[in-house]
Amino acid sequence: DAGVIQSPRHEVTEMGQEVTLRCKPISGHDYLFWYRQTMMRGLELLIYFNNNVPIDDSGMPEDRFSAKMPNASFSTLKIQPSEPRDSAVYFCASSPLGWGNYGYTFGSGTRLTVV
Amino acid sequence: ELKVEQNPLFLSMQEGKNYTIYCNYSTTSDRLYWYRQDPGKSLESLFVLLSNGAVKQEGRLMASLDTKARLSTLHITAAVHDLSATYFCAVDISGNTGKLIFGQGTTLQVKP
Repeated sequence: DAGVIQSPRHEVTEMGQEVTLRCKPISGHDYLFWYRQTMMRGLELLIYFNNNVPIDDSGMPEDRFSAKMPNASFSTLKIQPSEPRDSAVYFCASSPLGWGNYGYTFGSGTRLTVV
Repeated sequence: ELKVEQNPLFLSMQEGKNYTIYCNYSTTSDRLYWYRQDPGKSLESLFVLLSNGAVKQEGRLMASLDTKARLSTLHITAAVHDLSATYFCAVDISGNTGKLIFGQGTTLQVKP
């Protein structure tokens, strides 16, 4: 298995632009998570899905952020409009049913820089 | 509010020495996870601790869980340079519905 695949690896954009981050979970995994990592705030859970349905989006910082999972093999995290304070590394992770016995598998992350 | 607190946050040690990283959490949970992150890289799962008294060992690392004390420890034995990384603990706060909350991370630097 290729693991959790995220794209792009790096993204530099100007303030006000729309940014879309993509994630392909491990095949057969029922859970998908989006985390954001910054020096100041550490790892923050933004949203997670179970069987493509958003379960908890309480960590999404504001309305500029949205996430979708149109099918079991693809998810997006969109920021519109982007701001410099959104600069961070965004990780996607997935886990199978019965995830508690295994934890998550993380993708390589997308490093977002908003200038 | 749930808190997951690690200490120390930074640890510089000599090769060959032993040390322990602590992870305290503020809510009831019987599942705890340890991850490793190398600079600029993703998080790699190290240990999954699923019950009170659980102990797992891999090489020079050993993790344990005391759910009554809400404490997990990651013990490093005879540290080597390759163990230099940031270590995170994470707590399942949701009763197996998928939500992990991470500690701040402990950055370990092992000097030759």
